[in-house]
Amino acid sequence: KAGVTQTPRYLIKTRGQQVTLSCSPISGHRSVSWYQQTPGQGLQFLFEYFSETQRNKGNFPGRFSGRQFSNSRSEMNVSTLELGDSALYLCASSSQGNHEQYFGPGTRLTVT
Amino acid sequence: DQQVKQNSPSLSVQEGRISILNCDYTNSMFDYFLWYKKYPAEGPTFLISISSIKDKNEDGRFTVFLNKSAKHLSLHIVPSQPGDSAVYFCAASARNSGGSNYKLTFGKGTLLTVNP
Repeated sequence: KAGVTQTPRYLIKTRGQQVTLSCSPISGHRSVSWYQQTPGQGLQFLFEYFSETQRNKGNFPGRFSGRQFSNSRSEMNVSTLELGDSALYLCASSSQGNHEQYFGPGTRLTVT
Repeated sequence: DQQVKQNSPSLSVQEGRISILNCDYTNSMFDYFLWYKKYPAEGPTFLISISSIKDKNEDGRFTVFLNKSAKHLSLHIVPSQPGDSAVYFCAASARNSGGSNYKLTFGKGTLLTVNP
């Protein structure tokens, strides 16, 4: 089975721009979660989607949003980028009823 | 407020010896715990997990122990190998009112170095 894939792997954006990151879960997994990893804050939960519905959201400003499509693929969007948004953005998928989440390789976002 | 804490930023052990990674939590609602390993520039890789109804779970060289009264868990790696050198994250989840666990709360990680 193919693992979680994320595109792009690396991205450089300018402050004020917006960005969209994509995630394809493991086949059969319908839950997709997003996390932000920074050196100072570690891994922090952004939001989770299941069957195209956001079920849980972390403590991030409204500039961070996401969606999930009928094929379980997910996107997250960050608008009005700030320097502090520079981070590794990780997507994870899991199957219904299972606790274990399986992560993709991440998208390294650099905001200049 | 950090609900999952890994107080040792780094740990160094000799190949063949035991590695013990520790994790403490404060939220008594956490009912499932997981350990992940992470190499630079890669996503975390799931290692092993334990439910709060158990106190031990074993998978090959990896064993996780849970002490609920102390709100403490540990990961034992025996024997340690140089390829185990990575950052290890402890994570916890709490079942919400809907009956599903959607969110993992992570510790800040411990860098394990296994010396040949």
